[in-house]
Amino acid sequence: GENVEQHPSTLSVQEGDSAVIKCTYSDSASNYFPWYKQELGKRPQLIIDIRSNVGEKKDQRIAVTLNKTAKHFSLHITETQPEDSAVYFCAASIGNTGFQKLVFGTGTRLLVSP
Amino acid sequence: DTAVSQTPKYLVTQMGNDKSIKCEQNLGHDTMYWYKQDSKKFLKIMFSYNNKELIINETVPNRFSPKSPDKAHLNLHINSLELGDSAVYFCASSQHRDSNQPQHFGDGTRLSIL
Repeated sequence: GENVEQHPSTLSVQEGDSAVIKCTYSDSASNYFPWYKQELGKRPQLIIDIRSNVGEKKDQRIAVTLNKTAKHFSLHITETQPEDSAVYFCAASIGNTGFQKLVFGTGTRLLVSP
Repeated sequence: DTAVSQTPKYLVTQMGNDKSIKCEQNLGHDTMYWYKQDSKKFLKIMFSYNNKELIINETVPNRFSPKSPDKAHLNLHINSLELGDSAVYFCASSQHRDSNQPQHFGDGTRLSIL
C-alpha cells in the first residue's frame, strides 16, 4: 500500500517543552524517511532524514527514531522555540528501485507559544 | 543563488485557459519532480523525470503535460484549467532517481483559477 499516517494534526506546546510527531507507513520495503518543515507561504525544507539501516539520528535539538518492525518513525524536537512553529511533514520512500517516490504524511501544525 | 527556481510565483487565470510553469535547478541533479499541494496542505507527487526521461506519472489528468528539455529543466503545461487545479505546485530535484536521496524544493507556484 501507499499510506503514510501522521499524528497529531495539530500540536501546541509552550516554549522550552518537547514536541513529538509520529508517523506510520505501510510498505515494508520503504528505506528512506525524511522530515520536512514548511513555514507559512514557504517551500518544504528538509530538516532531518533517516535511512532504514539506522534506528536513530540526532541533529542538535532535532532527533528522529525509526522502528522498522512496527513500521513507524517519530520526530522529536527538544527545547522548542517560537521559530519552530510551522507545518511538519514526514515522508516514506515507496516503490521499486529506480522508480521510487516519496509519499508524504498529512502534516502536523506545530505552534510554540512564548 | 537559488538551487531550485520556478516561475511564476503566482498565477491567476480563468477556467479553460492554458498555462505553463517553469522550473530550473542548478544543483547538477539527475532527477526532478512536480508536486501538488492542495488547500488542506496535502503534498502529492505528480511526475518524476530522470535525465529527461519520465519515470513516474501518478495518474494525473492528460491536461497536465510535463516537458524536460534537459536534466536541469522540468516545465509543466496545463491545458483547459479547472477550478480544482487551484493549488500550490512545487518543483523539486534530487541527485539520483532512487528517492532515498534528499529532495530540494522550489518556492512554489500558487495557481488560482477564477
